[in-house]
Amino acid sequence: EAGVTQFPSHSVIEKGQTVTLRCDPISGHDNLYWYRRVMGKEIKFLLHFVKESKQDESGMPNNRFLAERTGGTYSTLKVQPAELEDSGVYFCASSPFSNSPLHFGNGTRLTVT
Amino acid sequence: GDSVTQMEGPVTLSEEAFLTINCTYTATGYPSLFWYVQYPGEGLQLLLKATKADDKGSNKGFEATYRKETTSFHLEKGSVQVSDSAVYFCALSDGSGYSTLTFGKGTMLLVSP
Repeated sequence: EAGVTQFPSHSVIEKGQTVTLRCDPISGHDNLYWYRRVMGKEIKFLLHFVKESKQDESGMPNNRFLAERTGGTYSTLKVQPAELEDSGVYFCASSPFSNSPLHFGNGTRLTVT
Repeated sequence: GDSVTQMEGPVTLSEEAFLTINCTYTATGYPSLFWYVQYPGEGLQLLLKATKADDKGSNKGFEATYRKETTSFHLEKGSVQVSDSAVYFCALSDGSGYSTLTFGKGTMLLVSP
């Protein structure tokens, strides 16, 4: 089966610009998660979708971040406007059930200059 | 809140050396514990897990034992290979679920021939 796919793999943008990250989960996986790793720090949870609904968005840093999962398939994470501290690697993961092991994508490396 | 502390890297070893990567945690209740591995250019993969005290997780020659008394989950391997070079992340989730993971900062392992 195809794994979790993230696009783009790298993105370099200027402060103040907008960036949209995309995640395609494994087909049939209702649960989709976003995590972020800022350089030198821990990987931190951002939010969790069950199908198209936000189950838990307690990790979203602020209202410059908007995640959507229309139709319960792929998800997008938009950062608008981007700030320097948003730089890092954004990971997406999916699972068929909430207590199943997570399958992670390769991540999107975002650099804000 | 919950937290995970890992030894700083990089850890540099020669092939066939013994590996230990220390991991300690702070959590309320009875967390499940995990080790994830990220090989170069790839996403995070679940390496092993343990869901209750004294459980031993094992996979690919790696082992870790859930020690509640010392709140630790150290990763060990008796004889490392060059192909084990990667970043290793210790993580926990509360209860028995896998969804919202709390990660450590990661430890890079470099194995030379």
